[in-house]
Amino acid sequence: EAQVTQNPRYLITVTGKKLTVTCSQNMNHEYMSWYRQDPGLGLRQIYYSMNVEVTDKGDVPEGYKVSRKEKRNFPLILESPSPNQTSLYFCASGRARVSHNTEAFFGQGTRLTVV
Amino acid sequence: TQLLEQSPQFLSIQEGENLTVYCNSSSVFSSLQWYRQEPGEGPVLLVTVVTGGEVKKLKRLTFQFGDARKDSSLHITAAQPGDTGLYLCAGQSYNNNDMRFGAGTRLTVKP
Repeated sequence: EAQVTQNPRYLITVTGKKLTVTCSQNMNHEYMSWYRQDPGLGLRQIYYSMNVEVTDKGDVPEGYKVSRKEKRNFPLILESPSPNQTSLYFCASGRARVSHNTEAFFGQGTRLTVV
Repeated sequence: TQLLEQSPQFLSIQEGENLTVYCNSSSVFSSLQWYRQEPGEGPVLLVTVVTGGEVKKLKRLTFQFGDARKDSSLHITAAQPGDTGLYLCAGQSYNNNDMRFGAGTRLTVKP
């Protein structure tokens, strides 16, 4: 089954404790992206990647890191989480540079609470 | 400031009514997509519009891409409770296919 898998689904952590949210897709997609979703603000892009070893900042990259060492994985790293990073996070993947009809496939989301 | 502005932010209507939601931008997009998101789930693609002025129909949903490729609308005819959800528009840039989302319209259809 074609899917994007995020882990964990729920996470409560303390300020300053490094964490990683994993994202994996099995569709051989070049494009992967991380978004955070907050009430009234919708989906805001954190980082995206057009292919292996190619990553770019989105609209709200501060406090986050990503890596793309393999095509299927795109982990989101919070080196020193703060309460303002409490949010619902989504990973998405899609084809890139093939056509204008790049559908984004989303994971189930990770609800992160930083106390 | 959102690259894509969606309106209204919230909409609550009775079953059987018609409605239109809007997605506007000052930027030109190679394509524009509409997604629907239900609680606890990620967004799921409804439609992609590519050509300026294009109209696409999906059962009771009609999507239109503006002539200038900067805006889009979603019209729902005879809304049903099953249409309840968050409707998101997403614009795809010309240079690298990167996608940006609007804040969404949260639709509630009451029986």
